[in-house]
Amino acid sequence: GQQVMQIPQYQHVQEGEDFTTYCNSSTTLSNIQWYKQRPGGHPVFLIQLVKSGEVKKQKRLTFQFGEAKKNSSLHITATQTTDVGTYFCAGAGTYKYIFGTGTRLKVLA
Amino acid sequence: DAGVIQSPRHEVTEMGQEVTLRCKPISGHNSLFWYRQTMMRGLELLIYFNNNVPIDDSGMPEDRFSAKMPNASFSTLKIQPSEPRDSAVYFCASSLWVRLGENQPQHFGDGTRLSIL
Repeated sequence: GQQVMQIPQYQHVQEGEDFTTYCNSSTTLSNIQWYKQRPGGHPVFLIQLVKSGEVKKQKRLTFQFGEAKKNSSLHITATQTTDVGTYFCAGAGTYKYIFGTGTRLKVLA
Repeated sequence: DAGVIQSPRHEVTEMGQEVTLRCKPISGHNSLFWYRQTMMRGLELLIYFNNNVPIDDSGMPEDRFSAKMPNASFSTLKIQPSEPRDSAVYFCASSLWVRLGENQPQHFGDGTRLSIL
């Protein structure tokens, strides 16, 4: 079945450093979504990418969708302590999304 | 606007007992998802409904698990009998499904933290 993997599994960074998480699907995706889950919280939708090669920005966050629509990345510039949490990508199937394994980000002040 | 509402927020019970988790999706959403999250297995999709009909329950771990959606505003996930390995956070999420290939964001509830002793 379809699988969505993320790397790295964990990342510790100093506040102010950049952070990137990568998402890879075993199959071509019609679109991909990104979610953030704060410790003790629930996943919250961040963004959706639809087009091949698409790049979207939200303040310090940059999201990319690969040309082959099988991979995606999330880059955070100059991390802050508020960026702490687990970031999930979710690849679109017919009716549902397959969530990636997640990358847990810890930001050290 | 009210988000997805789950109850109870926390549940502690002894193994062998029946557990029922409840979910009220966002009004107007026609897709509902039940997830289980653990440290070891991450976020797993258990079952999802579209227009109150179960579409895919391949993620339901065993016959001990069952889910229903009797109407558009209510769903339950039941575990009977419960076992310690069922301990996890269970999330319900809803979304608006428009047409094939056009997926919408999922809105998650706060989850039910289930502990089976």
